[in-house]
Amino acid sequence: EAGVTQSPTHLIKTRGQQVTLRCSPISGHTSVYWYQQALGLGLQFLLWYDEGEERNRGNFPPRFSGRQFPNYSSELNVNALELEDSALYLCASSLRTGMDTEAFFGQGTRLTVV
Amino acid sequence: DAKTTQPPSMDCAEGRAANLPCNHSTISGNEYVYWYRQIHSQGPQYIIHGLKNNETNEMASLIITEDRKSSTLILPHATLRDTAVYYCIVSIGATNKLIFGTGTLLAVQP
Repeated sequence: EAGVTQSPTHLIKTRGQQVTLRCSPISGHTSVYWYQQALGLGLQFLLWYDEGEERNRGNFPPRFSGRQFPNYSSELNVNALELEDSALYLCASSLRTGMDTEAFFGQGTRLTVV
Repeated sequence: DAKTTQPPSMDCAEGRAANLPCNHSTISGNEYVYWYRQIHSQGPQYIIHGLKNNETNEMASLIITEDRKSSTLILPHATLRDTAVYYCIVSIGATNKLIFGTGTLLAVQP
């Protein structure tokens, strides 16, 4: 069974540009989560989508946005890129919502903003 | 939000059991304890989770104290490939988001 897949694996963008990151969850999983991990820092929760709806959002500015498609795949969009947006962006999926639910992570997209 | 406290680093000899502690003194009655690990900036890997009973799977065992204020992750026979940052996380209610702390860097020594 395929795990969570993310694309692209690496990306270099210029400050002020926009970027779209993509995530395909494990088959049958309906919840998708996005996290940001800046170099040397911990994972920061960005967004949670379930059944096509945004369910929760972390403490990030509005230029971070996303969506979930009917097939449960997801996109993360970042507008007006800043140097500090350089980070590993991780996507995770889970089978169901609720507290007794394990989430499985992809290998991430490493974004470098120059 | 229930927070967790872990030692920043630990060493373990290869082949020995690694016991990683975690304090979560503000945990609520219906919140689960999760353990993940992250190897060299790869995506975090799910290890195990539990509510109040001890749990075991093919990777590890999770021991939760009776008052649920602390837990221990046990890797029974650590190998060099177990060198990673281990995160202890308490699930955050209906928001379903996992709040990662700074974790414990486990270094398995040959």
